[in-house]
Amino acid sequence: AQSVTQPDIHITVSEGASLELRCNYSYGATPYLFWYVQSPGQGLQLLLKYFSGDTLVQGIKGFEAEFKRSQSSFNLRKPSVHWSDAAEYFCAEYNFNKFYFGSGTKLNVKP
Amino acid sequence: DTEVTQTPKHLVMGMTNKKSLKCEQHMGHRAMYWYKQKAKKPPELMFVYSYEKLSINESVPSRFSPECPNSSLLNLHLHALQPEDSALYLCASSPLPGGALGYTFGSGTRLTVV
Repeated sequence: AQSVTQPDIHITVSEGASLELRCNYSYGATPYLFWYVQSPGQGLQLLLKYFSGDTLVQGIKGFEAEFKRSQSSFNLRKPSVHWSDAAEYFCAEYNFNKFYFGSGTKLNVKP
Repeated sequence: DTEVTQTPKHLVMGMTNKKSLKCEQHMGHRAMYWYKQKAKKPPELMFVYSYEKLSINESVPSRFSPECPNSSLLNLHLHALQPEDSALYLCASSPLPGGALGYTFGSGTRLTVV
């Protein structure tokens, strides 16, 4: 069965530190991959997406993600985290007319 | 206008009540979606409308009844809900059916069934 895996349920980083959130997808030679962010009680906001081409994708709010086919990964990164980045992050793959969401990673930011 | 607007933001209803959730977008998107999200879980797809026609129903109980009056509006009618239906209900839209270009989500309706 198709799945998207986010191995880290919670991550805590200090403000100003770098961040990497992991995501592995299970299906597709050319996957459509997305990262969404959700603040408490809010909807999901699209951070970035990958369809093809350059494997390093730039998104909003200073985020980027790198697609690595050999590792079936699409990890999200940010060089310097701000307190306002504290939120839930969802990786998703689009395939067969459906979105498959990972279980999410909750990011806490320490002052 | 690049938003999906959902109303109300919060709703408390009894198990015998009838209520409706509303979703609106003016981006010219031709597909709209209802998702249900329980706490600390990813969103779960409920319904998909493509060109105002219901194209996917993910085996949702009949106490949830979707409606798409036009290409900009999506409703979710609620009747005889159970406490376990309490959740955040998210509406989303995409330019074309299928969502390969990504979804635009609304901020959701927080539903509590008492």
